[in-house]
Amino acid sequence: EAGVAQSPRYKIIEKRQSVAFWCNPISGHATLYWYQQILGQGPKLLIQFQNNGVVDDSQLPKDRFSAERLKGVDSTLKIQPAKLEDSAVYLCASSTRGLAYEQFFGPGTRLTVL
Amino acid sequence: GENVEQHPSTLSVQEGDSAVIKCTYSDSASNYFPWYKQELGKGPQLIIDIRSNVGEKKDQRIAVTLNKTAKHFSLHITETQPEDSAVYFCAASIDPGGADGLTFGKGTHLIIQP
Repeated sequence: EAGVAQSPRYKIIEKRQSVAFWCNPISGHATLYWYQQILGQGPKLLIQFQNNGVVDDSQLPKDRFSAERLKGVDSTLKIQPAKLEDSAVYLCASSTRGLAYEQFFGPGTRLTVL
Repeated sequence: GENVEQHPSTLSVQEGDSAVIKCTYSDSASNYFPWYKQELGKGPQLIIDIRSNVGEKKDQRIAVTLNKTAKHFSLHITETQPEDSAVYFCAASIDPGGADGLTFGKGTHLIIQP
């Protein structure tokens, strides 16, 4: 079974520029999550999708972050404009409903904002 | 919202000894407690989880205990091996399969000394 795919793996941008990350979840997984992991901390949930609908985006800084999940499969997370404090690893995870609660994580995209 | 505290931040043990990592949570409604292992450059990977209707769960050298009254849970690794070296995260959730994502602790860097 293929895992969660993310691209790019690394991105370096100047502050005030925009950036987009892409995630392809495990086939058949209806739930998709984006987490932000700042160096030395645990992942923090930014947004959760169920199919192509948003379930929870309470911690997403909506003035600069946006995310979409078209057709309930792939997802993109965008930051515009980026700030220095956005430097982090952005992790995508997916899971299936039911008794198997496990969230499967991708390798992440490491973003550096200069 | 939920808050998860994790201790210690760094733990160094001799190969073959046991390691214990402890977490406390704040929301009494939480009922799912996973533990994730994260190796350098990779996304977190689930190693064991426990639900609130169970006090202890074991899987080979790994065990997790839960005390709902005290709102704390612990990870126990016995007979540690070099490949156990990684960062370990505890997390809590009300319902990861539904409308609530995971709230993570800050992580424990486990170092296995040869």
